[in-house]
Amino acid sequence: NAGVTQTPKFQVLKTGQSMTLQCAQDMNHEYMSWYRQDPGMGLRLIHYSVGAGITDQGEVPNGYNVSRSTTEDFPLRLLSAAPSQTSVYFCASSSVSGGFNEQFFGPGTRLTVL
Amino acid sequence: RKEVEQDPGPFNVPEGATVAFNCTYSNSASQSFFWYRQDCRKEPKLLMSVYSSGNEDGRFTAQLNRASQYISLLIRDSKLSDSATYLCVVFSNSGYALNFGKGTSLLVTP
Repeated sequence: NAGVTQTPKFQVLKTGQSMTLQCAQDMNHEYMSWYRQDPGMGLRLIHYSVGAGITDQGEVPNGYNVSRSTTEDFPLRLLSAAPSQTSVYFCASSSVSGGFNEQFFGPGTRLTVL
Repeated sequence: RKEVEQDPGPFNVPEGATVAFNCTYSNSASQSFFWYRQDCRKEPKLLMSVYSSGNEDGRFTAQLNRASQYISLLIRDSKLSDSATYLCVVFSNSGYALNFGKGTSLLVTP
């Protein structure tokens, strides 16, 4: 199993550009989520999904869109990048059968918006 | 008030020392509790789940106090390789979201 994969690993954008961060998992996990991590702020939840076709907002959803058309994939779209979105983005997945279980994280995408 | 709070540290301890971290949570309905470890510029990884009766994994012991709404992590006989940031994580059924603390930084020195 590859676990949770994220692409790209690094990205530089100009203000106003749009892009999609890719996330995929091969563990058949129902739950997937996106976090951003900034110095001194810890991990903050952007969006999450409890299954294909179901998404919900987390703590900091503004400026981001998600969709979950398959169990495996959970892309995060930046609509119009802003410098405040410079951060490290982590995707995670977990099984929720029998209660909430270990979350597996991808290696992260380091995004800089100029 | 943040749902999960931790002392950010840093905790600087010598090799072989025992160190303890606490974490408080605000939602009394929280159901699942975890400690994650994060190395510099890496993704978080599960260190251990925290059970109501307390649990131990080698040099690591986790405790849950529901009455006071805190969880703790005790590390005995610290190793240099224990240097990392330790994240307290709490799950509540409402909203199906995990809440992360900001993390406690540990530096073990020779």
